[in-house]
Order: sequence, then C-alpha cells, then structure tokens
Amino acid sequence: GQNIDQPTEMTATEGAIVQINCTYQTSGFNGLFWYQQHAGEAPTFLSYNVLDGLEEKGRFSSFLSRSKGYSYLLLKELQMKDSASYLCAVLDSNYQLIWGAGTKLIIKP
Amino acid sequence: GAVVSQHPSWVICKSGTSVKIECRSLDFQATTMFWYRQFPKQSLMLMATSNEGSKATYEQGVEKDKFLINHASLTLSTLTVTSAHPEDSSFYICSARGDSDYNEQFFGPGTRLTVL
Repeated sequence: GQNIDQPTEMTATEGAIVQINCTYQTSGFNGLFWYQQHAGEAPTFLSYNVLDGLEEKGRFSSFLSRSKGYSYLLLKELQMKDSASYLCAVLDSNYQLIWGAGTKLIIKP
Repeated sequence: GAVVSQHPSWVICKSGTSVKIECRSLDFQATTMFWYRQFPKQSLMLMATSNEGSKATYEQGVEKDKFLINHASLTLSTLTVTSAHPEDSSFYICSARGDSDYNEQFFGPGTRLTVL
C-alpha cells in the first residue's frame, strides 16, 4: 500500500529552527509537496521537490532524497504565525496526490 | 498566481436537504478538479477526481449518488451533497490542477458544512 509518515505534533520556540520529517512509500514518484494549513483554512503551497537536494525559499527550505523515500521541511527564524499544520504529499505514478496526516507545529514565545 | 474560489464559505442546513458547493478556477483552465473532505484534526481525504466533460472518479467508500459532482467547464466544478445528514458535517475543499510543469494543485478556501 501507499504510506506517508510524518510526526503528529512538534513544538518549537519563536526564533528557533525546526525540521519536520516525512517518509513515504508510494507506487511511483512524480514529486513531493509541502503545504501549510492554518486551522479552519485550506492548504497553501509551500514547496515542490522532484529532484534530490535542497530547495530554499526564504525562511523555508525543503529537502528530498528519493533513494531513501525521505523529505524534510526546514523552518528558520520561527514566527508565531508559523503555528499551523504542515502537510507532506507525494504525487504517485498516476499523478494522484497521496497525503500525509500532517504535522501540527506549535510555536511558543 | 492561480486562484481558486469556492462558494459558499459556510452553510448550515437541515437534515435531509441538499447543498451545492461551487468551485471555480478564476485565472486558469483547470483540466482536473479534486474534492476533499477534512474532519477536525484529521488530514485531507480525497473524495473524487473530476475531469472536465467526463464523469468523476470516486474514491473507495465515497457514495457517488450522495456526493454528486459535475465538472461542466474548464473553470467550474460543483459538489452537491444530497439528503445531507449530521455526519456529513465537515470542511469540504476543492482544488484545481492546470497544466503546470509540476502538476501543482491550487486549493479553494474551503466550505464549512454544518447539518443540523
């Protein structure tokens, strides 16, 4: 079966750095997405990785290792507004998005 | 960037009534639209995938006669929850995919449905 694992919840301090991991086992791979979702709102796009390596976009970076079935989202200089759920999703061989359950990130002052 | 709208944002209805939710891609043509349902503190659950002009493909366990999906044009898809019951209360989110290089899905703002 297809499976995406990410931690249920993480806590970090304002101004610090946090890394949210995601491991996946899917039938085929056409890219991995990270989305941010605030409570009561729809997800918003953060990043897309299809090749191995690190993609940096401002305070957020995303890393992919296809051989390990592994990705992480790195958030730097954390702000209170970064408190949200972070969803990892993989595009499988049928171009279907397979979603992780999401990681709830709690930022403390 | 690509914008997807959803209407209504929230709806409260009585049990047994039907509710229609619209999803529109405002500045691009969506070859494929997706309908998701999300219960509190849970991840997105794909209900169905629809391609313009053809019948929707429903995920296992989703009743196609209860959740009617119409994708009549490249910019509009509708989800009708027929004979809604309290257990159908949820956050319904649509997304649209164009022909971008990496098949990104653009999400609508969601519709909060409460069935009394």
